[in-house]
Amino acid sequence: SYELTQPPSVSVSPGQTARITCSGDAFPKQYSYWYQQRPGQAPVVVIYKDSERPSGIPERFSGSSSGTTVTLTISGVQAEDEADYYCQSADNSGTYVVFGGGTKLTVL
Amino acid sequence: EVQLVQSGAEVKKAGESLKISCKGSGYRFTTYWIGWVRQMPGKGLEWMGIIYPGDSDTKYSPSFQGQVTISADKSVSTAYLQWSNLKASDTAMYYCARGMSGSTSCYTYWGQGTLVTVSS
Repeated sequence: SYELTQPPSVSVSPGQTARITCSGDAFPKQYSYWYQQRPGQAPVVVIYKDSERPSGIPERFSGSSSGTTVTLTISGVQAEDEADYYCQSADNSGTYVVFGGGTKLTVL
Repeated sequence: EVQLVQSGAEVKKAGESLKISCKGSGYRFTTYWIGWVRQMPGKGLEWMGIIYPGDSDTKYSPSFQGQVTISADKSVSTAYLQWSNLKASDTAMYYCARGMSGSTSCYTYWGQGTLVTVSS
């Protein structure tokens, strides 16, 4: 079955830049999506279609793509950004959706 | 305002059946895909499957095919997730989520989650 691979954890100090990668064989054919999940809450989409930002999501969140790897970048990280982040995409056929294993972002 | 409201927490025993619901409002229910996502305690998100309420077209993750049934009743704008033979390993939080227009993948609206606890 198709898999997306993320690092289990990323740590940064406030004000620094956090980069979370996600690799998958179906990139760049399939779009990527990124979700933020805080403890006890439902996920929230922060990036869609690789690099689009929904309304209400701070400008410090951005997405990019290069080959079979997509990246979520959080510039000027704030304490409130501490959360789990999941990438999501689909297999080459576009039929089956898959989530990455998730990355825990810790703000030191 | 778009809302997905899920049914309340359930406590069941292994071998029992269960059907949880997700009621959509604030949008045209029949024209957006609705997906189901599992999150086991302390673990990540797992995509279970999706349904298009307009024609009940349904797709399942290979991991969940045959283990659950996804359905929808457009007359009451509600999607369902059901089990016929619960296992202790089905203990998890289950979320429904609505896809972006024309998308099976991008979930812009989520329900509050339904916690299912199955005892052995």
